[in-house]
Amino acid sequence: DQQVKQNSPSLSVQEGRISILNCDYTNSMFDYFLWYKKYPAEGPTFLISISSIKDKNEDGRFTVFLNKSAKHLSLHIVPSQPGDSAVYFCAGRTGNQFYFGTGTSLTVIP
Amino acid sequence: NAGVTQTPKFRVLKTGQSMTLLCAQDMNHEYMYWYRQDPGMGLRLIHYSVGEGTTAKGEVPDGYNVSRLKKQNFLLGLESAAPSQTSVYFCASSYSLYEQYFGPGTRLTVT
Repeated sequence: DQQVKQNSPSLSVQEGRISILNCDYTNSMFDYFLWYKKYPAEGPTFLISISSIKDKNEDGRFTVFLNKSAKHLSLHIVPSQPGDSAVYFCAGRTGNQFYFGTGTSLTVIP
Repeated sequence: NAGVTQTPKFRVLKTGQSMTLLCAQDMNHEYMYWYRQDPGMGLRLIHYSVGEGTTAKGEVPDGYNVSRLKKQNFLLGLESAAPSQTSVYFCASSYSLYEQYFGPGTRLTVT
């Protein structure tokens, strides 16, 4: 049973525009959420995170929004750059364990 | 500072063979994790460790064993490989229960 879902397998965006990646979760015990970025043939790298007691966290071009009532989080990238083309995973934490979504492949078109 | 390294990078096994995947980190992290990534499934936690000498089961532990005899190393064993264990395996470590640092992965094929 997938506790974290990323329903869009892929997304294409023009360079300079906003990229919005979405993530839904079912486990109300998640207390921390993270986004990772993954290039082919590499391991995921940490991008940004948010505690469940907050609704927004911003780091440069990246902002994560959390809507606890809807069990939904989103990652905004503004402006999008070609180097942002990668697979993005969201993850939720409960206890010592992390549950990952299936990923969204972002392509930023120059 | 190598971060998280995984050995080997690629491996092909026949059904029933055994092997051990090695994960090493040089960041003095307490927490270490083994994940597998399959198409359409994302990353799923196999086993994890919260410190030297400890291990615990994750989401999909069946068919795997682990050991953490030294703080910097986390070993994942397959005693009798099955085709269903064909996957890409990622090791990760973290200082606390926040962001994890991942290794480059091991691509395992079981025929």
